[in-house]
Amino acid sequence: DGGITQSPKYLFRKEGQNVTLSCEQNLNHDAMYWYRQDPGQGLRLIYYSQIVNDFQKGDIAEGYSVSREKKESFPLTVTSAQKNPTAFYLCASSFQLSGTEGGKLFFGSGTQLSVL
Amino acid sequence: KNEVEQSPQNLTAQEGEFITINCSYSVGISALHWLQQHPGGGIVSLFMLSSGKKKHGRLIATINIQEKHSSLHITASHPRDSAVYICAVRGYGGSQGNLIFGKGTKLSVKP
Repeated sequence: DGGITQSPKYLFRKEGQNVTLSCEQNLNHDAMYWYRQDPGQGLRLIYYSQIVNDFQKGDIAEGYSVSREKKESFPLTVTSAQKNPTAFYLCASSFQLSGTEGGKLFFGSGTQLSVL
Repeated sequence: KNEVEQSPQNLTAQEGEFITINCSYSVGISALHWLQQHPGGGIVSLFMLSSGKKKHGRLIATINIQEKHSSLHITASHPRDSAVYICAVRGYGGSQGNLIFGKGTKLSVKP
């Protein structure tokens, strides 16, 4: 079955540690996104990528990094510079950018990141 | 003021009731999305629309571009419809990948 897979479901980070969240899709989608969700808040865009080897910062990119070496994969690293990393992280993909006709979003099941 | 406002924030209904969730936005948009988030956290895209009305099963989404308003209707509601419903818009200009999300409407349908 085609879909988008995030792992792990739960992740714990120690102070000063970098952690990486995995996102893989087999939908042959060009665009991929990382969102952060905090309680009572709307989703906020961290990074997005339209094609392989290209990505753009979203509204809250500070303290995060991404790579897009393969079309299927868009991992997110939460660095030690992100001082408030506890949140629910959602990866999404779409055939085209989210505002265009082919832009229906497909989401992963999310990763809950907590600080030890 | 948030650019995307949803109402109500919380909604409790009895099984079988007709439900309406509203979304108002303050920017010009190229598309509006309705999403459903279940308690486990996963999100499913319900609709993407830029004009008029779309229907899928018991769900209907409408949008009025002039009034900058969209509604999501659920007919014959069922406990399995219990979820958070999220409205998101893609404005013109700004970051190409950026959707602006509402804070969601938490729906609970009682049997």
